[in-house]
Amino acid sequence: QKEVEQDPGPLSVPEGAIVSLNCTYSNSAFQYFMWYRQYSRKGPELLMYTYSSGNKEDGRFTAQVDKSSKYISLFIRDSQPSDSATYLCAMEANAGNMLTFGGGTRLMVKP
Amino acid sequence: GAGVSQSPSNKVTEKGKDVELRCDPISGHTALYWYRQSLGQGLEFLIYFQGNSAPDKSGLPSDRFSAERTGGSVSTLTIQRTQQEDSAVYLCASTVAGGLETQYFGPGTRLLVL
Repeated sequence: QKEVEQDPGPLSVPEGAIVSLNCTYSNSAFQYFMWYRQYSRKGPELLMYTYSSGNKEDGRFTAQVDKSSKYISLFIRDSQPSDSATYLCAMEANAGNMLTFGGGTRLMVKP
Repeated sequence: GAGVSQSPSNKVTEKGKDVELRCDPISGHTALYWYRQSLGQGLEFLIYFQGNSAPDKSGLPSDRFSAERTGGSVSTLTIQRTQQEDSAVYLCASTVAGGLETQYFGPGTRLLVL
């Protein structure tokens, strides 16, 4: 079993929909949680990061961490075709360690 | 300023040949990471350089893989006697000091071993 599990999709939604992306993990030592967005043939770029449990909002994006359930989510409101990409969750136990990534979920937002 | 750059962008090689992949991190970034991304998979950590410290090689999959970082800047990932299972995108990332700072990724090198 992988340390971080993520549904590969693809997830296809109409423009304007609310998107929910999720990851589960097994290592209870993880404290730092990130979401990366990766466009085709590009490197990942950091979207959001959170420490420990709780919510964090940035524009149309909300990251949610539930450490008790070992479950993290990324919500995208008013989704746009430009949001079409692969979304990777990543996490680490201590700042400065290497990141452990999920396999990524491919999202397609159709106009 | 310029981001992380990698070269070549694409590399096709024959099984058994050696390949070298290059990463130019963002100027001033002291930490550099190499990852491998296979088709439909997440990123797999390979190696981590921080300043002048000994690199963390814990992610290298076999002794055919090695990496060096000259002068604390440019890094080269070398794969000897390539195998078909080495086909993947190799990504490099750098950060200011290797902490929780954002890791800035390069575009990757797409390696295909025939």
